[in-house]
Amino acid sequence: SQTIHQWPATLVQPVGSPLSLECTVEGTSNPNLYWYRQAAGRGLQLLFYSIGIGQISSEVPQNLSASRPQDRQFILSSKKLLLSDSGFYLCAWKHFSPKVEETQYFGPGTRLLVL
Amino acid sequence: AQKITQTQPGMFVQEKEAVTLDCTYDTSDQSYGLFWYKQPSSGEMIFLIYQGSYDEQNATEGRYSLNFQKARKSANLVISASQLGDSAMYFCAMRGEYNFNKFYFGSGTKLNVKP
Repeated sequence: SQTIHQWPATLVQPVGSPLSLECTVEGTSNPNLYWYRQAAGRGLQLLFYSIGIGQISSEVPQNLSASRPQDRQFILSSKKLLLSDSGFYLCAWKHFSPKVEETQYFGPGTRLLVL
Repeated sequence: AQKITQTQPGMFVQEKEAVTLDCTYDTSDQSYGLFWYKQPSSGEMIFLIYQGSYDEQNATEGRYSLNFQKARKSANLVISASQLGDSAMYFCAMRGEYNFNKFYFGSGTKLNVKP
């Protein structure tokens, strides 16, 4: 069976500091990978998605970046955090398939507080 | 462009009663999928149910059913016999055939089940 991991679970960082969040998937190969951000009590904002190693699509221009150095590893980074980067970051994966019935599966999330 | 609208930011339901969470969508794709996810206070996103645009019957999964009205572009989630553990945020999402790597999420509905 497939599992998805995210770490750290929680993070408190000062404004202007760097960020690195990691997501890994087990039990599948060549998945689509996604990074979402969720502000408190709000919906999901798609940040990045990737259909393969080194292939990143950016949805929202901002001070965040993403990388996919390995097939089942997805990293979200920032060189300098802003207060507005606070939120709940969710990683998700999906089978690499055009079938509309394929759902996403989400990780446990990382709560980031920028002070 | 794809768009998902959830007009109920919050709802209350009495335990053991049924509740309907509204979702309307907008797309020009002929083939698309509609998904509902549950997000408890822990933050994890749990896939509940899927409905395909060409499915003639409404989807059901245990106590969850989807009231799909294609002409009205609505995909409402019905939870029967509500339980206290159903208290959570619920998100409607859609995926189309042309940009099949992306999911579009609504803003969510917060459901509170009262004992």
